Amino acid sequence: KAGVTQTPRYLIKTRGQQVTLSCSPISGHRSVSWYQQTPGQGLQFLFEYFSETQRNKGNFPGRFSGRQFSNSRSEMNVSTLELGDSALYLCASSPNTGSGANVLTFGAGSRLTVL
Amino acid sequence: AQSVTQLGSHVSVSEGALVLLRCNYSSSVPPYLFWYVQYPNQGLQLLLKYTTGATLVKGINGFEAEFKKSETSFHPTKPSAHMSDAAEYFCAVSSDTGRRALTFGSGTRLQVQP
Repeated sequence: KAGVTQTPRYLIKTRGQQVTLSCSPISGHRSVSWYQQTPGQGLQFLFEYFSETQRNKGNFPGRFSGRQFSNSRSEMNVSTLELGDSALYLCASSPNTGSGANVLTFGAGSRLTVL
Repeated sequence: AQSVTQLGSHVSVSEGALVLLRCNYSSSVPPYLFWYVQYPNQGLQLLLKYTTGATLVKGINGFEAEFKKSETSFHPTKPSAHMSDAAEYFCAVSSDTGRRALTFGSGTRLQVQP
């Protein structure tokens, strides 16, 4: 079974630009969550999507947005990039039912550098 | 709001020695608790989890942990450290508003000395 796939793995942008990151969950997983990891703030929850709807949202500005498609793949977008947005962005998927419903499986992440 | 506190940002042990990682949580209701391990340039891998049921849980790589509700603690141990255990370890608790909205601790970097 393929794991959670995130693309791109690495990218460099400049301030003011926007970026879109992609996440393909494990087959059969319908919930996708996004997290930001930085040395200063650690791991922080961004948002969760299920059935193409945002089900939960962390404390991030509106520049951070996401969406989920009918095949459960998800994208997140950051507009008007700031230097502080440099981070590892992690996507995680989980089944919505069953014994593993609350267990997140993470991808390898997309490392964003903002210059 | 849920919170977790990891005690010790850096832990150094000798190969073959006991590994003890420490995490305390605050929760008004029994939470779901997780430990994840992160190797360099990789994502997070589930180390072990407490959801419901047995208080002693076994994880991967020889780790196990006891959920102690009275102490609000969840400390993984491994009897004998291996060089491959060197990594960063994160404790996490599920949110009471969303079980997939995890609150993570600040991390513990484990060094294993030969």
